[in-house]
Amino acid sequence: GVTQSPTHLIKTRGQQVTLRCSSQSGHNTVSWYQQALGQGPQFIFQYYREEENGRGNFPPRFSGLQFPNDSSELNVNALELDDSALYLCASLRESGELFFGEGSRLTVL
Amino acid sequence: EDKVVQSPLSLVVHEGDTVTLNCSYEVTNFRSLLWYKQEKKAPTFLFMLTSSGIEKKSGRLSSILDKKELFSILNITATQTGDSAVYLCASGTYKYIFGTGTRLKVLA
Repeated sequence: GVTQSPTHLIKTRGQQVTLRCSSQSGHNTVSWYQQALGQGPQFIFQYYREEENGRGNFPPRFSGLQFPNDSSELNVNALELDDSALYLCASLRESGELFFGEGSRLTVL
Repeated sequence: EDKVVQSPLSLVVHEGDTVTLNCSYEVTNFRSLLWYKQEKKAPTFLFMLTSSGIEKKSGRLSSILDKKELFSILNITATQTGDSAVYLCASGTYKYIFGTGTRLKVLA
């Protein structure tokens, strides 16, 4: 499965946040999505073998890392109120199936 | 611009009813269409449909893909209160475009 931490967090505008994700080793492709209230998930970016290999329409203050054990981080700098959302990490299988973790709910005040 | 549109936006039915949820898509690179059920937290994977697998069934849930007309439907028969959720569909390749979902409420 896919495990994310923390499950909930509250930050203030201008702060920085790091969200973490771990998946079964060998599931090399990790995707991150942002889901605002009442919306479908929106693709942020994807990592394969520690390299970003796809990015959605998000500014550079959204950045990520993938580690040799396939765990991953999403970093967001200079938080804005609109960054309040559920952040979903997903394992993308070679078949194309996409499995999500439980998500990290970020509130920016 | 790639897009996925779901209809209806919301639906209220009674237990035992059959429901049909719709998903139309326009994506530059199509590989698969995915269906999810979302309750309180993260979306739970239901089905993946591709050119080589245009029909899927699991229990009371079934789905078909029409690649010519660019749509998919999700059917739920004999609905139960536990089916109440938001149902999402997504299309694309590695970068999936999601619809805004259909909110289903099943009344006892």
